[in-house]
Amino acid sequence: GENVEQHPSTLSVQEGDSAVIKCTYSDSASNYFPWYKQELGKGPQLIIDIRSNVGEKKDQRIAVTLNKTAKHFSLHITETQPEDSAVYFCAASMNTGFQKLVFGTGTRLLVSP
Amino acid sequence: DGGITQSPKYLFRKEGQNVTLSCEQNLNHDAMYWYRQDPGQGLRLIYYSQIVNDFQKGDIAEGYSVSREKKESFPLTVTSAQKNPTAFYLCASSMRGGDTGELFFGEGSRLTVL
Repeated sequence: GENVEQHPSTLSVQEGDSAVIKCTYSDSASNYFPWYKQELGKGPQLIIDIRSNVGEKKDQRIAVTLNKTAKHFSLHITETQPEDSAVYFCAASMNTGFQKLVFGTGTRLLVSP
Repeated sequence: DGGITQSPKYLFRKEGQNVTLSCEQNLNHDAMYWYRQDPGQGLRLIYYSQIVNDFQKGDIAEGYSVSREKKESFPLTVTSAQKNPTAFYLCASSMRGGDTGELFFGEGSRLTVL
């Protein structure tokens, strides 16, 4: 089955710096790669996703890149702000009509003012 | 407001007791899911249901049971057979099919076994 590895497990940056979180997946049949943000005491919330027919996608300060050959995908957050502090999860799935996602182990991002 | 409601938010249980976690959604989603979250292990799928009266085991179903008698409800029972039940449990739902793959999560239920 699919296995998703995520690094780093913790990431500390200064406000205004960029943050990069990386994931690798094992199943070449996976074609959907979302990123979720989980704030303390809350459920995860989708922040951006990418499908395998696209190499990069941006939404304001966040972007995701996908390298299908290497089976890598990454989340990039620019101009980080304290409210970006949260746990971020990557995930992968074969889009079979419902989402049986396999999640990474999460990255705790701390943005210091 | 549309969303997913999980209850209770915190639950304490003695060893050997079964406990049921509630999950209700008013998003008219066909698919519903239960995930377990442990520190450093991400989210692991316990059970999922694509349609009423049907559900499938996820990766860690042992010691858990579910039912899906109504589209909006997907309760999870943590049985006494679950060897390490203390965890944060998340319920989610999604549209079945369509272009969006987004999972909508509830705010979770934290179960502690005393």
